[in-house]
Amino acid sequence: QKEVEQDPGPLSVPEGAIVSLNCTYSNSAFQYFMWYRQYSRKGPELLMYTYSSGNKEDGRFTAQVDKSSKYISLFIRDSQPSDSATYLCATPGTYKYIFGTGTRLKVLA
Amino acid sequence: NAGVTQTPKFQVLKTGQSMTLQCAQDMNHNSMYWYRQDPGMGLRLIYYSASEGTTDKGEVPNGYNVSRLNKREFSLRLESAAPSQTSVYFCASSEAGGGATNEKLFFGSGTQLSVL
Repeated sequence: QKEVEQDPGPLSVPEGAIVSLNCTYSNSAFQYFMWYRQYSRKGPELLMYTYSSGNKEDGRFTAQVDKSSKYISLFIRDSQPSDSATYLCATPGTYKYIFGTGTRLKVLA
Repeated sequence: NAGVTQTPKFQVLKTGQSMTLQCAQDMNHNSMYWYRQDPGMGLRLIYYSASEGTTDKGEVPNGYNVSRLNKREFSLRLESAAPSQTSVYFCASSEAGGGATNEKLFFGSGTQLSVL
């Protein structure tokens, strides 16, 4: 079992839709969780990070962690074509960074 | 504000050729990393350097060597390229290193390598 699992998509939604991107993880010792966004032919860039359980909001983006079910979510409200990218969940883990495989999102105008 | 700079952006090699991918960061970060990204496999760590003067193997080190030249620069060398090394390579850096708490990674824009 991979330590961080993510549905690869692709996910296509109309402009303005609410997008939900999800990951699961296996190790209950993980405490910090990140979301990286990767545009085509670019390197990943940090979008948001959260600690332990709970929500964190930044503009149209909300990151959520449910430690009881080992579930990580990223919600995008009022999605825009500029949100079209691959989104990778990640955790610093216990001694090395662990990435999900990424979910490719396309927001249609 | 350059951040992490990788060269070259594209490279085509024949099987058996060698090459070095260069990476430099200007954020005074202690740790640097080399990843490869393949469809369906995600980002896989090849080698990392937690601090100047140290290097360690990651998940997929076979066929690669690295050099931490100084605090700014971390190079990745393919001694005898194989088609299985066709991939997109990313260099990254972080302030702390070692999987510390809320460590954030900063990535370069990648090198697309094809080995024929």
